[in-house]
Amino acid sequence: GIQVEQSPPDLILQEGANSTLRCNFSDSVNNLQWFHQNPWGQLINLFYIPSGTKQNGRLSATTVATERYSLLYISSSQTTDSGVYFCAGTPYGNNRLAFGKGNQVVVIP
Amino acid sequence: NAGVTQTPKFQVLKTGQSMTLQCAQDMNHEYMSWYRQDPGMGLRLIHYSVGAGITDQGEVPNGYNVSRSTTEDFPLRLLSAAPSQTSVYFCASSHPLRTGGNSPLHFGNGTRLTVT
Repeated sequence: GIQVEQSPPDLILQEGANSTLRCNFSDSVNNLQWFHQNPWGQLINLFYIPSGTKQNGRLSATTVATERYSLLYISSSQTTDSGVYFCAGTPYGNNRLAFGKGNQVVVIP
Repeated sequence: NAGVTQTPKFQVLKTGQSMTLQCAQDMNHEYMSWYRQDPGMGLRLIHYSVGAGITDQGEVPNGYNVSRSTTEDFPLRLLSAAPSQTSVYFCASSHPLRTGGNSPLHFGNGTRLTVT
């Protein structure tokens, strides 16, 4: 199956700092999505971004489909940004959404 | 609008017992899926369904059964629980796209299962 690699695996940020998370796919994917899992375990969909750039408040995401990667930008980080960020995508022609192992982010005040 | 509802939230089983994890969604989503989350492993797809009466295997289907008799419900059955099935289980749903993928995925709050 498709391989999804996320980097960095762990990140500690000072509140107010900016950061970039990266997601690489071993093959072309459709329906690329980013999720945030908060410290209580809830998984929230942040972006549905098969290509291009989207922004939602302090978060933005860019997907370069031809090069099989996506980036998630966190600006002016806050403690509520702590948690695990997952990216996922489906190979063309099927509905099996494959996840990476996540980016563990801790924002300290 | 409840979204995706999973029950129970917690469950402890003994090896060999069977049980069903329930999942229901009220968004009229055709696509539903089950994932398990283990430390350091991300989320791994167990089974999925693209509509009532249609199911397919994911990455880690062994030891689990599913059925989809209605659009709203997608239960996951453990036939004979094993300690290796100790995990957090998430149900998720979305609309499928005509191009073959899915729209944004919505998750339930998870079921924490321990098998002793």
